[in-house]
Amino acid sequence: QITLTQQAESLWVSPGEKVSITCRASQSLLYTDGKHYLSWYQQRPGQTTKALIYHASIRTDGVPTRFIGSGSGTEFTLSIEDVQPEDIALYYCLQTLKKPYTFGAGTKLELK
Amino acid sequence: EVQLVETGGSLVQPGKSLKLTCATSGFTFSNAWMHWVRQSPEKQLEWVAQIKAKSNNYATYYAESVKGRFTISRDDSKSSVYLQMNSLKEEDTAIYYCTWGITTPVDYWGQGVMVTVSS
Repeated sequence: QITLTQQAESLWVSPGEKVSITCRASQSLLYTDGKHYLSWYQQRPGQTTKALIYHASIRTDGVPTRFIGSGSGTEFTLSIEDVQPEDIALYYCLQTLKKPYTFGAGTKLELK
Repeated sequence: EVQLVETGGSLVQPGKSLKLTCATSGFTFSNAWMHWVRQSPEKQLEWVAQIKAKSNNYATYYAESVKGRFTISRDDSKSSVYLQMNSLKEEDTAIYYCTWGITTPVDYWGQGVMVTVSS
């Protein structure tokens, strides 16, 4: 199965700063249709899990433009520019190229 | 508005069975490919199972960790998906989420239901 590694368990950030969360896959997530099957999710306490990014770089409807997905092949990044207090949450990457679908271990964004 | 509501979670002894239900609304359930995802107490997410639509012969897929013990099913007349869990183990302790999506299999998540397997 494909392994996703999110190296940072926690990241500390101050409001207004930029932060980047990385996700490395054990094999390329590029499919023959030219799309990368890597997506990002946000978990905030008391709220349902929210889809942020799909196909590595496309924002889901309603997601603020400060959330930016990038990367290709096996290396992917979720960047949050001008971090807001409501962005403090757990962030997960997910690959849906091959079953079993697999998640990264998660990165907790915390306030300095 | 898409809604996914899981019920049926409980404290259960190892070796016992439990059935989870996910009631849905806000989308055309009969065409939807539905999934169950779980989250361990350590916060690790794991995809558990998928069931496709009638047009795909209700094909099912499972994670190796649950294959042969869990069964995913659906009732299109009730817009509901189920997870029958047999021979439960302590490592099945988790929050179980029902999910559906268009751009990914997990665009939408329910609030989740807690399953605790302990003697």
